Amino acid sequence: GQQLNQSPQSMFIQEGEDVSMNCTSSSIFNTWLWYKQDPGEGPVLLIALYKAGELTSNGRLTAQFGITRKDSFLNISASIPSDVGIYFCAGLYTGNQFYFGTGTSLTVIP
Amino acid sequence: NAGVTQTPKFRVLKTGQSMTLLCAQDMNHEYMYWYRQDPGMGLRLIHYSVGEGTTAKGEVPDGYNVSRLKKQNFLLGLESAAPSQTSVYFCASRADRAYSGANVLTFGAGSRLTVL
Repeated sequence: GQQLNQSPQSMFIQEGEDVSMNCTSSSIFNTWLWYKQDPGEGPVLLIALYKAGELTSNGRLTAQFGITRKDSFLNISASIPSDVGIYFCAGLYTGNQFYFGTGTSLTVIP
Repeated sequence: NAGVTQTPKFRVLKTGQSMTLLCAQDMNHEYMYWYRQDPGMGLRLIHYSVGEGTTAKGEVPDGYNVSRLKKQNFLLGLESAAPSQTSVYFCASRADRAYSGANVLTFGAGSRLTVL
């Protein structure tokens, strides 16, 4: 199946620092999604992007839909302990199948 | 509004046993999906449904069967469980494409299955 390359695989940061992660694809997408998953829970939608070049914010989170439509970026500003978790990107072209990245594990050190 | 509910949350099976995972959604969504999540592999699609009475294979369908007899329910069955099916299973649903925000999946909390 389609592979999404998500990086970095893991991050250890100090509380208050900014975080950046990205996702790249070998194919174009019409929709990019970013999810967060807490331990023992299901993924929860953070941001949805629908247009190339789109920049969308949700509180301290900002995500961008890459111009090439093959990548997306997620930034978290001024990290706090509750930001800990695994962040997933997902892409959809047309049709019914979403494709997921392998996740970025974020640890915030108080 | 419960969203997507999965039962059971945990289950331990012996090799060769059968079981069914139930997914229920109360959002009147057309599309429903079953994924499995394994360490380092992300979410992989097992089967999905584009409406009541329909099912389709995903990326890793072998060893699983599904049914969508009612719009709100999507069942995932394992006829003869194998240790390779030890995983966390997630159900998700999606609104019909005619609605805004349709290109978004809403997930359940997951079902952790261990096959001994």
